[in-house]
Amino acid sequence: DAGVTQSPTHLIKTRGQQVTLRCSPKSGHDTVSWYQQALGQGPQFIFQYYEEEERQRGNFPDRFSGHQFPNYSSELNVNALLLGDSALFLCASSLANGDGYTFGSGTRLTVV
Amino acid sequence: AQKVTQAQTEISVVEKEDVTLDCVYETRDTTYYLFWYKQPPSGELVFLIRRNSFDEQNEISGRYSWNFQKSTSSFNFTITASQVVDSAVYFCAQYSSASKIIFGSGTRLSIRP
Repeated sequence: DAGVTQSPTHLIKTRGQQVTLRCSPKSGHDTVSWYQQALGQGPQFIFQYYEEEERQRGNFPDRFSGHQFPNYSSELNVNALLLGDSALFLCASSLANGDGYTFGSGTRLTVV
Repeated sequence: AQKVTQAQTEISVVEKEDVTLDCVYETRDTTYYLFWYKQPPSGELVFLIRRNSFDEQNEISGRYSWNFQKSTSSFNFTITASQVVDSAVYFCAQYSSASKIIFGSGTRLSIRP
């Protein structure tokens, strides 16, 4: 049984560009959450998707947006990339009540 | 507001020593969960334990043990007879009705041979 899968694993983008990261939840999970982990810090909550809608949002600018598809997979989009967006982006899936919270291995984004 | 504090930024011990990682949390919720995760250099978050707010029983799993004390809002993690493979960044985290996990800033643990 596959866990949470994220793609790509690594990505290099130029400042000002846009990026899309993808996440497939663990089988049976219907809720996807995204986190950003800057170097030397703990993961920070970006937002959570349930039933194809954003249910919760952390303190991130509108440049960060997301989407959830009918099959529960999710995308994270970041527009107008800044050097400071360089980080490990983690996706987590769970049931709607939070049970089974499971993290993927992450996508490491480098903005140059 | 929810907050998790890991005051120890870095700890370095010699192999076979015992080491305790401290975690203090803040929340107004009566129902919440506390976690410990391990993050090796490869980057993935490895789940270690989840405790709910109604269960203050301490837990032991092999060389790992956890001490949960609501009176002091602490959830400390002890590694007994540490090994080099225990070297990693360890995160304490909290989850409640807000549907998101709040992480501490992490403690980098180095075990020297």
